[in-house]
Amino acid sequence: DVKVTQSSRYLVKRTGEKVFLECVQDMDHENMFWYRQDPGLGLRLIYFSYDVKMKEKGDIPEGYSVSREKKERFSLILESASTNQTSMYLCASSTRTGNEKLFFGSGTQLSVL
Amino acid sequence: AQKVTQAQTEISVVEKEDVTLDCVYETRDTTYYLFWYKQPPSGELVFLIRRNSFDEQNEISGRYSWNFQKSTSSFNFTITASQVVDSAVYFCALSAPNTGNQFYFGTGTSLTVIP
Repeated sequence: DVKVTQSSRYLVKRTGEKVFLECVQDMDHENMFWYRQDPGLGLRLIYFSYDVKMKEKGDIPEGYSVSREKKERFSLILESASTNQTSMYLCASSTRTGNEKLFFGSGTQLSVL
Repeated sequence: AQKVTQAQTEISVVEKEDVTLDCVYETRDTTYYLFWYKQPPSGELVFLIRRNSFDEQNEISGRYSWNFQKSTSSFNFTITASQVVDSAVYFCALSAPNTGNQFYFGTGTSLTVIP
């Protein structure tokens, strides 16, 4: 079974902490994405990557950074967590071919206190 | 600009009723793709269907059916004889080659099927 695995299902952090959200896929996909899901706002794209060491800003990159050192792993970094970053974070991957379906992880519910 | 609108925020139906989830999209591209995803309480979005803009045939998969109408820019999803396991949040999404293959999601429709 193909899988996108997010390291934590629930995470509680304090304001100002540096937070790492990890995502690993086993499908040899080129494209990887980080979304944020909030009630009433749907899914909003934070960052995406089309290849190792490549990254592109999505719609809401402020306060976030990403790292993709290996093809299978895409990390989302909150440099200094704030309470307005409390949210559900979803990682997804897809093949390089355009517009193929996204495969999603189970999500990480992050609470920043 | 790409945009997907799911006007229904929450829907409740009684088991065995039919239910239609609406999706309206906006795009200037002639080539684009439409998707539906299901997000059960477990959290993981599950792919249901992908449609390209040149294929307006309706599709049926078991109790699920999709009605794609370019004339009204709609891609509606119908569940026939709903079941409790259909309770989930459903997202409609759009992607297009001209926008770097990014996905644009609607805000989702939360469906509750009451036993």
